[in-house]
This record gives sequence, C-alpha cells and structure tokens, in this order.
Amino acid sequence: EAQVTQNPRYLITVTGKKLTVTCSQNMNHEYMSWYRQDPGLGLRQIYYSMNVEVTDKGDVPEGYKVSRKEKRNFPLILESPSPNQTSLYFCASGRGPLTDTQYFGPGTRLTVL
Amino acid sequence: GNSVTQMEGPVTLSEEAFLTINCTYTATGYPSLFWYVQYPGEGLQLLLKATKADDKGSNKGFEATYRKETTSFHLEKGSVQVSDSAVYFCALSVGSYIPTFGRGTSLIVHP
Repeated sequence: EAQVTQNPRYLITVTGKKLTVTCSQNMNHEYMSWYRQDPGLGLRQIYYSMNVEVTDKGDVPEGYKVSRKEKRNFPLILESPSPNQTSLYFCASGRGPLTDTQYFGPGTRLTVL
Repeated sequence: GNSVTQMEGPVTLSEEAFLTINCTYTATGYPSLFWYVQYPGEGLQLLLKATKADDKGSNKGFEATYRKETTSFHLEKGSVQVSDSAVYFCALSVGSYIPTFGRGTSLIVHP
C-alpha cells in the first residue's frame, strides 16, 4: 500500500529536549516536505527536499532542521524545542511539488511544555 | 507575495444541501489551484485541482472552476452527505516549491 508514515503520532516533551519526528514514504517520490498546521493559520511549509541531499527552507524554517540521506526518509529535527513549536505536523511526498499530487502522512501532534 | 483567502467556518449544512466554499487568491504569475480535504484525525488528501484558467476540477461530486478574471476557485457540491464533514483547504502553487494554503474551512453536515 502506498503511504507516508510518521512517528511518533503524539509526543509531549519539555522545552529544550531535542527530538526527531520521522517520515518515510514507499512510493519512490523525489519530493518530500514538512508542514505545520495551527488553528486559524492553515498549513505552512517548514522545509522541503527535491531529492537526496537537497533540502531548502519553506515559509517557517526557524527552529527546525531536516536531512535527506535516503530517498524514502525525511526526518524533522527540533534541536531545542520551545512552546511555540506546539503544533500538528505533517509530512508529505510527491513526484514533484504541489502541482503533482501530494500524499500526506497522518500527522504528529507535538506538545512542548 | 501569494495568498489564499477562504471563507470563515464552520459551515453547517443539512444532508442533501448545496455547498459552496469560497476561495480567492492573489498570485504572481499563473498558479495552479487545488482543493484538499482533511477528514478528522487524518492527513490532507487532494480533492481536485485545476492548472489553467477556465479549467474545471471535479471529484466525488465536488467541482471548482479556475476563474482568472475573479481570481477565484470556489468549491461546490450539489448534495452534501454526512461523510463530507471535514476541513477543506484551498491552495495554490505558482512555479515554486513553496505552496500557499488557505486557513481551511470546516464543514459540518447534519443528518
């Protein structure tokens, strides 16, 4: 089954404790991206990757890092989480950017205390 | 910059009612336009898209027409069902890798 998986689905952590949210896709897609969803703000792109070892900033990259060492994986790293990073995070993949159909993961709800 | 404006929700309808969710945009260049749907507890799914002016996207009884003259891409459905209850996002992409999403419109359909 074609899918994008994220782990964990739910995470409660404390300020400053480094965390990683994993994202994996099994569709051999070159393009992957991370979004955060906040009430009243819709989805905002954090980072995207056009291919292995190629990543770039989206609209709201501050406080986040990503890596793309393998085509299928695109982890999101919060080196020192802060409460304003409490949000719902989605990973997405596609053959290209939004003009190609994007497949979204189920989301990771992160709470930073 | 690019922007997408959607009508505020929630939109509350009875089953079999007609649905319109308004979406207008501003963009530099010629955007592609999308509607995504998010069911409770799930990620977004592409509902329909249109890549040039006057194109009509359609899927699952939903339709939207790319209107360049009014910079709009309103979502319509003739007869909604309870299972259509979800959050709907209008989005655009214009030749860059950073898409622009609207804030989302929640639809609640009562039996």
